Amino acid sequence: SQTIHQWPATLVQPVGSPLSLECTVEGTSNPNLYWYRQAAGRGLQLLFYSVGIGQISSEVPQNLSASRPQDRQFILSSKKLLLSDSGFYLCAWEGDRGYEQYFGPGTRLTVT
Amino acid sequence: KNQVEQSPQSLIILEGKNCTLQCNYTVSPFSNLRWYKQDTGRGPVSLTIMTFSENTKSNGRYTATLDADTKQSSLHITASQLSDSASYICVVGNAGNMLTFGGGTRLMVKP
Repeated sequence: SQTIHQWPATLVQPVGSPLSLECTVEGTSNPNLYWYRQAAGRGLQLLFYSVGIGQISSEVPQNLSASRPQDRQFILSSKKLLLSDSGFYLCAWEGDRGYEQYFGPGTRLTVT
Repeated sequence: KNQVEQSPQSLIILEGKNCTLQCNYTVSPFSNLRWYKQDTGRGPVSLTIMTFSENTKSNGRYTATLDADTKQSSLHITASQLSDSASYICVVGNAGNMLTFGGGTRLMVKP
């Protein structure tokens, strides 16, 4: 069976500090991977998606970046966090049918 | 512009009662529609997924319907339980596998 992990679960960071969130998937190979952000009381916003190692597509301009150093690892980063980066960050992988996404447990980021 | 609108934004019901959540979409070309349940502070979990040819799908006490002609979907919850308290998100995918997310309906089930 497939599993998806995200860490850390919660994070409090000061403005201007760097960020690194990690997502790993087990039990599947060459998955499409996604990063979403959910602001408090809002819907999900797609940030990045990746169809393979080193292949990253960005949906919205921002001070965040993503990388995929390994097949089942997806990393969300920032060099300098902004207050507006606070939110709930979700990683998802896409199932074999091509239209089913499975979400990770999420990381709650608070920028102070 | 692709949009997914959900109603109501929030809902409070008593335990044991039924409820229906609505989702209207303007996504083209339509490929699939899925309903997710998201507990507070957790990632969304898939409840149902329907393609163009399916007009109803059940998952336990959850039943989703799809009317592709009117571009409407509903999620019916039968005999609600306290554990049903969560946000329910409607997500519509197009043929290019682009997903459009609704804002969600926040359901609270009270004893």
